[in-house]
Amino acid sequence: DTEVTQTPKHLVMGMTNKKSLKCEQHMGHRAMYWYKQKAKKPPELMFVYSYEKLSINESVPSRFSPECPNSSLLNLHLHALQPEDSALYLCASSPGRILQGKGTEAFFGQGTRLTVV
Amino acid sequence: DAKTTQPTSMDCAEGRAANLPCNHSTISGNEYVYWYRQIHSQGPQYIIHGLKNNETNEMASLIITEDRKSSTLILPHATLRDTAVYYCIVRLGGGTYKYIFGTGTRLKVLA
Repeated sequence: DTEVTQTPKHLVMGMTNKKSLKCEQHMGHRAMYWYKQKAKKPPELMFVYSYEKLSINESVPSRFSPECPNSSLLNLHLHALQPEDSALYLCASSPGRILQGKGTEAFFGQGTRLTVV
Repeated sequence: DAKTTQPTSMDCAEGRAANLPCNHSTISGNEYVYWYRQIHSQGPQYIIHGLKNNETNEMASLIITEDRKSSTLILPHATLRDTAVYYCIVRLGGGTYKYIFGTGTRLKVLA
């Protein structure tokens, strides 16, 4: 099973709402990622969790709050978003350790398309 | 900043080989080159990766120059379903697990 599952697939929220995006993988991966992708642009890295600890925050505004409750789950809590935060939010996972002689590819979910109104 | 440079777009005739180039002139010795593709707003799909030797799998071949400053992804017999944006990524090392996407190449396979 090489699947990363993201829910919901689509989300519309108001600027005063609080919502959460969820990501799940059962590959035993220990690194998990959140990316943001605007239309016709490449994915931009937001956060990286390594062994359930936040290891990278790419200067993301505090209205985005990640959480990694266990090694299989990754959440992104959203609060007081702006219309410009509307985008495709992608989750990914990778084994999270350097394997001798080989890299470690990341697997991506299908994303949550978020619209902020 | 992204560490890779790719052409913005390319066309390829169906059934022909698609050769997608990527420049990564500042690559470090322990950094791998990864290729992903993204079909119309789906999640990126892993294709292949390599360090310095050429690699081949069921999807594609990866040719890395001897100085490692550039690479080429080869889709040997392109089909219409290969129409996608192809991203060349240099995976930053040091345990940071960063996959930084460049602008990618939009490949259109023509019937």
